[in-house]
Amino acid sequence: DTAVSQTPKYLVTQMGNDKSIKCEQNLGHDTMYWYKQDSKKFLKIMFSYNNKELIINETVPNRFSPKSPDKAHLNLHINSLELGDSAVYFCASSQATGVGTDTQYFGPGTRLTVL
Amino acid sequence: DQQVKQNSPSLSVQEGRISILNCDYTNSMFDYFLWYKKYPAEGPTFLISISSIKDKNEDGRFTVFLNKSAKHLSLHIVPSQPGDSAVYFCAASVAGSARQLTFGSGTQLTVLP
Repeated sequence: DTAVSQTPKYLVTQMGNDKSIKCEQNLGHDTMYWYKQDSKKFLKIMFSYNNKELIINETVPNRFSPKSPDKAHLNLHINSLELGDSAVYFCASSQATGVGTDTQYFGPGTRLTVL
Repeated sequence: DQQVKQNSPSLSVQEGRISILNCDYTNSMFDYFLWYKKYPAEGPTFLISISSIKDKNEDGRFTVFLNKSAKHLSLHIVPSQPGDSAVYFCAASVAGSARQLTFGSGTQLTVLP
């Protein structure tokens, strides 16, 4: 009974290709996030959506485009993949934003390798 | 510029002993702190959190201490068990319109049987 799921778990592709990573949460949360874990193991926020609206957009190349068809899904589309995009991408969700405290729950990650 | 720092990349502890993981932060606006545990090939799992209005929060074998004046928090695990072996991430957030988490680089804890 997975709370936050991501597909695929592994993605190997050539430079220049376009790929998507899907994320779904069944926790009923209203906020979802994408994080990138780089080679130095830092987890860095990329995007956040609250009720399908973009609320955080860190300095990320515009080749990365998040799409939220509904509040249970936040997909990440990447155009013209580059070698530096190789990383583990984590999706997360939380119940509230800016109201009291909230805890983020993470998916299992998608390891993207660009050759 | 790392706002959340975990200066020990690794820590080894004997089973049954106390594990103490440390975290320092620089942003005085942080008001909520969390610890996550991560096993290989899995996502981070929430462990315990603390609000800046408290200095201690306990949950079973896990206790988080917050020293706001020193901008330091620590996670104590007592007693340590081999299943606790994982990477532990400290994270912090600022009150505002978006609860963005800023993570440290993690500490690999190894509990030796």
